Amino acid sequence: SSDLTQDPAVSVALGQTIRITCQGDSLTTYYASWYQQKPGQAPVLVNYGKNNRPSGIPDRFSGSRSGNTASLIITGAQAEDEAEYYCNSRDTSGNHLVFGGGTKLTVL
Amino acid sequence: QVQLQESGPGLVKPSETLSLTCTVSGGSISSFYWSWIRQSPGKGLEWIGYIHNSGITNYNPSLKSRVTISIDTSKNQFSLKLTSVTAADTAVYYCARRAGYYDSNGYHGDLFDPWGQGTLVTVSS
Repeated sequence: SSDLTQDPAVSVALGQTIRITCQGDSLTTYYASWYQQKPGQAPVLVNYGKNNRPSGIPDRFSGSRSGNTASLIITGAQAEDEAEYYCNSRDTSGNHLVFGGGTKLTVL
Repeated sequence: QVQLQESGPGLVKPSETLSLTCTVSGGSISSFYWSWIRQSPGKGLEWIGYIHNSGITNYNPSLKSRVTISIDTSKNQFSLKLTSVTAADTAVYYCARRAGYYDSNGYHGDLFDPWGQGTLVTVSS
């Protein structure tokens, strides 16, 4: 079983809000970081910690955590948000890092 | 701003050792942790390990027996060696800077930023 579990695929209508989730026991202790990856490109950090965005990331990307589930929320999804999204945090032991399996976001 | 660039052979024979270097520009390699992450074709991201300039390392348990990450502060570079490779090690290999996330209660998570562009390594005879 995976330490961090993500839905393989989700879709959202243009301009609507989507929540991409990441589940794992370690998330009750550690925050997740979130990465956007478009085809043929390296991943890009879009949110981390309690809810922090690197410079240049639109404020429609926000993060939250409840219990063992971390969420990346895209408010008012744009066509350019269509991508694969990965969460990252510690494994169940807390000693190593691990990525979730990724969620493919389709913007309709 | 800090930029990372991977370099190394794009083709490695089975059972041989994969060797990659990441060159850090625009900032010092000191005082941060530096990581390797890979992505097999059509698959997700897999954390390989990280190193601090103090020599502290942390490896993915599934790869630990075959992985060595080293650092050369004089060249602002860090490197990956993966021994006894098989076709399953074919992947795009990324280097990235790893940082810790801290709040008023202390350490609470990790983040990778920035990333290199990645380099494809194919294991084939």
